[in-house]
Amino acid sequence: GQSLEQPSEVTAVEGAIVQINCTYQTSGFYGLSWYQQHDGGAPTFLSYNALDGLEETGRFSSFLSRSDSYGYLLLQELQMKDSASYFCAAPYKAGTALIFGKGTTLSVSS
Amino acid sequence: NAGVTQTPKFQVLKTGQSMTLQCAQDMNHNSMYWYRQDPGMGLRLIYYSASEGTTDKGEVPNGYNVSRLNKREFSLRLESAAPSQTSVYFCASRKDPTLNEQYFGPGTRLTVT
Repeated sequence: GQSLEQPSEVTAVEGAIVQINCTYQTSGFYGLSWYQQHDGGAPTFLSYNALDGLEETGRFSSFLSRSDSYGYLLLQELQMKDSASYFCAAPYKAGTALIFGKGTTLSVSS
Repeated sequence: NAGVTQTPKFQVLKTGQSMTLQCAQDMNHNSMYWYRQDPGMGLRLIYYSASEGTTDKGEVPNGYNVSRLNKREFSLRLESAAPSQTSVYFCASRKDPTLNEQYFGPGTRLTVT
């Protein structure tokens, strides 16, 4: 079957750097995505890696290693507003739908 | 553009009742999806529609049916609600498979008593 594993919780302080890991098991591989969800809100897209390496978007970066079936989301210069849940996602059965990991809750304190 | 809209926002049902959750998008997207979110379980795919006229089962389809009414609208029906279907339901859409950004609606919070 398909699965994406990520830690359930991460804590950090303002200004720090945090890394959220995701290991996946999928039938075929067509890229790894990351989504952010604030409490009670809708998930929003953060980044996508189709190939190995690092993708940078402002304070957020995402990394993929297809040979290790592993990726991570790196958040730099953490701010209180970054407190949210973060989900990795991959295509379902190589199709158009995405399936998601169970999410990592990030708590940023001052 | 309103993006992805869902109705209703909140709903309480009794066990055995039926209801339809509505979803519409105004972005001319081809693909639409239904997810449920339960505490500690992340987002689980219920059904999806890759394009108008097609629907497919996702990870947790039992107890649900869907209709892709047209390119804009994708509804989710609970024929006989059960307490295990208490959840937050999110609809999402995407323009095409090569673009990985899915746009989510605000969600419907359903309680089955």
